[in-house]
Amino acid sequence: DTEVTQTPKHLVMGMTNKKSLKCEQHMGHRAMYWYKQKAKKPPELMFVYSYEKLSINESVPSRFSPECPNSSLLNLHLHALQPEDSALYLCASSLGVAGGGDEQYFGPGTRLTVT
Amino acid sequence: AQRVTQPEKLLSVFKGAPVELKCNYSYSGSPELFWYVQYSRQRLQLLLRHISRESIKGFTADLNKGETSFHLKKPFAQEEDSAMYYCALSFRIQGAQKLVFGQGTRLTINP
Repeated sequence: DTEVTQTPKHLVMGMTNKKSLKCEQHMGHRAMYWYKQKAKKPPELMFVYSYEKLSINESVPSRFSPECPNSSLLNLHLHALQPEDSALYLCASSLGVAGGGDEQYFGPGTRLTVT
Repeated sequence: AQRVTQPEKLLSVFKGAPVELKCNYSYSGSPELFWYVQYSRQRLQLLLRHISRESIKGFTADLNKGETSFHLKKPFAQEEDSAMYYCALSFRIQGAQKLVFGQGTRLTINP
């Protein structure tokens, strides 16, 4: 299996809802990433997990809560979001090795709409 | 600060013509640079990395440290090359890899 999968594909939630995005890979990668991509903009890094530990948090608001239960799974818990949080949320994974151009493999994304 | 600049938001060329997508970067250390591509309705995927110096789908990119550039080139464009192209800079921080993307160039190949 050489793909990163993300569920759900689409999510509509109200500002008072709690929901979760899920990402999975079975390539043996040890680094996993969450990105946010607004329309016609590049992906922006949110979080990086390396060997199941949170390594980078790009000053993301606490209404976004990441979780890495094991090396194959990455979740993003959402609570009390704002309409401006509507975007495509991308998950990626990589080997997690230093140097040598560590390629990131991207999932198809979850299209989130906050109403 | 680490930054990637792609000066062209849109680029349109005719089939069979050469194409060059420009990318400049700002980074004080030794850079690792990538080109990612997103075809219509497909996920973002790696096209090239500078360290491998290979040609993929006829595209090449050379890292020029003097000019801090990593331009993407193809001598003869094909219609299937129409896509969104992102140049990206990779560096390690806090024990993890960080990827910074340029704003992207939408390439359209006209028949």
